Amino acid sequence: ETGVTQSPTHLIKTRGQQVTLRCSSQSGHNTVSWYQQALGQGPQFIFQYYREEENGRGNFPPRFSGLQFPNYSSELNVNALELDDSALYLCASSLDLAGGTGELFFGEGSRLTVL
Amino acid sequence: AQSVTQLDSHVSVSEGTPVLLRCNYSSSYSPSLFWYVQHPNKGLQLLLKYTSAATLVKGINGFEAEFKKSETSFHLTKPSAHMSDAAEYFCVVSGKQAGTALIFGKGTTLSVSS
Repeated sequence: ETGVTQSPTHLIKTRGQQVTLRCSSQSGHNTVSWYQQALGQGPQFIFQYYREEENGRGNFPPRFSGLQFPNYSSELNVNALELDDSALYLCASSLDLAGGTGELFFGEGSRLTVL
Repeated sequence: AQSVTQLDSHVSVSEGTPVLLRCNYSSSYSPSLFWYVQHPNKGLQLLLKYTSAATLVKGINGFEAEFKKSETSFHLTKPSAHMSDAAEYFCVVSGKQAGTALIFGKGTTLSVSS
């Protein structure tokens, strides 16, 4: 059984650029959630995908978008990068929208630095 | 609306002494509560969860937490700290319905000295 894997692990972008982060969910999981963790803060919910549809979104602007593929892997896209987008981006997978009562399995994150 | 407040940003203990990490929550309905741990350069790992069964919840690595509705608290404890417990700990609240997002506290850094 493979865990949640994210790529890339680190990347540096400049303000105004676009970035795509990728996540492979744990085997058998059909739900992927994305969280942003700024330095010294707890993770904040960006959005969740269940069976390829967005199913819940946090307080993030539309330039944060995502996709979930038939194999349940997922992408997070951020357009028009701003300095405040510098953070650790965490992907978590679960089975059948288990977030409220079940366990999320987190990847190690993608650390984005925006200069 | 739901929120959590972790009362200590940093806790330092000696190896073999008890650990107490404090968390208060706010929720307009009966919540699910979790503690997650984050070791450096590692993903978040669930320590334990409360979802409305027993109020004293036992987790992995000897940790436990007690849900106290009257005090709106969910403090994390361990009788004897180990060096490997040094990490960042997050108290988390969520609604019970499927698909609800997790709301994290700001975290408590636990340092363990020998």
